[in-house]
Amino acid sequence: DGGITQSPKYLFRKEGQNVTLSCEQNLNHDAMYWYRQDPGQGLRLIYYSQIVNDFQKGDIAEGYSVSREKKESFPLTVTSAQKNPTAFYLCASMGMLAAGHNEQFFGPGTRLTVL
Amino acid sequence: QKEVEQNSGPLSVPEGAIASLNCTYSDRGSQSFFWYRQYSGKSPELIMSIYSNGDKEDGRFTAQLNKASQYVSLLIRDSQPSDSATYLCAPRGGGSYIPTFGRGTSLIVHP
Repeated sequence: DGGITQSPKYLFRKEGQNVTLSCEQNLNHDAMYWYRQDPGQGLRLIYYSQIVNDFQKGDIAEGYSVSREKKESFPLTVTSAQKNPTAFYLCASMGMLAAGHNEQFFGPGTRLTVL
Repeated sequence: QKEVEQNSGPLSVPEGAIASLNCTYSDRGSQSFFWYRQYSGKSPELIMSIYSNGDKEDGRFTAQLNKASQYVSLLIRDSQPSDSATYLCAPRGGGSYIPTFGRGTSLIVHP
């Protein structure tokens, strides 16, 4: 089965702790993304990566870090510097169906709660 | 600043009716347009993509694109209670790897 997996599904963190959210895809997609979604809000881009060993900040990168050592994996670390980390975190990847026709698919998400 | 505008709703329609969801966007360079469905507490699911002006039909769903008016819509025929969800519009500029997401329209289909 091809797809995007995220773990854990639910995560609880104490204030001051760093936590890492996992994202893995077996779709052979080059581009991967992390979004944050707050209740009643749209998706906000945290980081994205178009190729291995390269990534770019999105609109709300402060307090987050990522790595892209393998094509399949794009983990997100939520650091203690992120002031309000409680949110729904979504990982996505993008593949090319045809020239110019790239479609983005999402993992199931991780719900992070800071206690 | 690229913007995507959607009426947040909720849009309430009776079962069997046509639901019409609308989206306007500011980036004239947008080349690809996507509609996602998101059930409460779940991740977005891609349901339609459209790349050229006109209509594209897939089952009960029809996407309509008018690039001159910077307008894209999604019609759902024979609406079912299972269609109740938030629908996100996401245009993407040509050559860009990053879609811009609207806040979504909440659709409620009541029996």
